[in-house]
Amino acid sequence: DVVMTQTPVSLPVSLGGQASISCRSSQSLVHSNGNTYLHWYLQKPGQSPQLLIYRVSNRFSGVPDRFSGSGSGTDFTLKISRVEPEDLGDYYCLQSTHFPNTFGAGTKLELK
Amino acid sequence: EVQLVESGGGLVQPGRSLKLSCAASGFTFSDYAMAWVRQAPKKGLEWVATIIYDGSSTYYRDSVKGRFTISRDNAKSTLYLQMDSLRSEDTATYYCARRGAPDYWGQGVMVTVSS
Repeated sequence: DVVMTQTPVSLPVSLGGQASISCRSSQSLVHSNGNTYLHWYLQKPGQSPQLLIYRVSNRFSGVPDRFSGSGSGTDFTLKISRVEPEDLGDYYCLQSTHFPNTFGAGTKLELK
Repeated sequence: EVQLVESGGGLVQPGRSLKLSCAASGFTFSDYAMAWVRQAPKKGLEWVATIIYDGSSTYYRDSVKGRFTISRDNAKSTLYLQMDSLRSEDTATYYCARRGAPDYWGQGVMVTVSS
């Protein structure tokens, strides 16, 4: 299985500040069709996960442009600018290029 | 508005069975692959199974293969997960999700396997 390594495990931030989360895969996530199936989710406390970014850099419907995704191959980053209280929670990356789909272990975004 | 509502969770003894349901609305259910994803208490997310739009193909993680069965009834817009020979390590919140790489998630249903 593809191992997804997320860092850091915990990320203290100040409101209004910026946060950056890394996700590295144990093998390239470029599919044979040329697409890269790397996605980002936020799970707020007590809630279900919600999709933020799909296929590396595409914001899902309703996701503010404070969230941006980038990367290629095996190295990916989620950036959150101007952090707001509703951004706090657990962030997960997911790869769906290779079977089975695998998630990163998560990054907890919390207040400094 | 896409809605996914799970039901059927609860406390069950090891070795017993449980069947989860997920009622979908707000989209054309028969157009989409569907999946189950679980989360053990205080742990991360783990993909469990996926079924393609017409039910003709299913995929499972190794640890549930042969014990769990994903199925769907497109006429009822409902997804199912039949869980047999349950183990303590299956204890988790189970989420129904649209697509194999989920875009929408249900609220989750708790399954506790314990004697």
